[in-house]
Amino acid sequence: NAGVTQTPKFRVLKTGQSMTLLCAQDMNHEYMYWYRQDPGMGLRLIHYSVGEGTTAKGEVPDGYNVSRLKKQNFLLGLESAAPSQTSVYFCASTRGGRNQPQHFGDGTRLSIL
Amino acid sequence: AQSVTQLGSHVSVSEGALVLLRCNYSSSVPPYLFWYVQYPNQGLQLLLKYTSAATLVKGINGFEAEFKKSETSFHLTKPSAHMSDAAEYFCAVFTDKLIFGTGTRLQVFP
Repeated sequence: NAGVTQTPKFRVLKTGQSMTLLCAQDMNHEYMYWYRQDPGMGLRLIHYSVGEGTTAKGEVPDGYNVSRLKKQNFLLGLESAAPSQTSVYFCASTRGGRNQPQHFGDGTRLSIL
Repeated sequence: AQSVTQLGSHVSVSEGALVLLRCNYSSSVPPYLFWYVQYPNQGLQLLLKYTSAATLVKGINGFEAEFKKSETSFHLTKPSAHMSDAAEYFCAVFTDKLIFGTGTRLQVFP
């Protein structure tokens, strides 16, 4: 009963390096989301997807790219990491619909030096 | 535009005392409202949700919240705090996207 799984759990990067965060869900959910969580700011939406092959920008999309090639996976990419991207990243999924709760992964703690 | 305001970034209570975490929302359409809890080093878990069926919503772990349209509020309460309730709590409103408040960290003292 995995739910939403994020890999890796921790990562340290140098400025300018690239990396991809992977989110996988086994609930057959249509909608998937990437958030970042910073102290005192709650969760802010980076990008989201309403189905396989679709992506859309959220509140803070700059510096990130995403892909949803398979329904169960949602990838978040940092092409050239910057210290301002140091954060905790959360993936979430939901069946869709306004009254459906989102299911969250345990997060990826990313530090950019 | 929709938004959520959580009053008080930190709340401290004694074990056994009433817990009250405040949330006010702004929405141009009837809102769907949620409370999530986040324990250290974990993701968010749903506590409860309001979807217009009833104004008093009961959630997990003894928490409940009351939707008050006239006050645009959705405050979270629990009659008697337990040490295990120490966590960060987020209120959120959904119209076309889920918008989170900035969170309230609850401390429970013995």
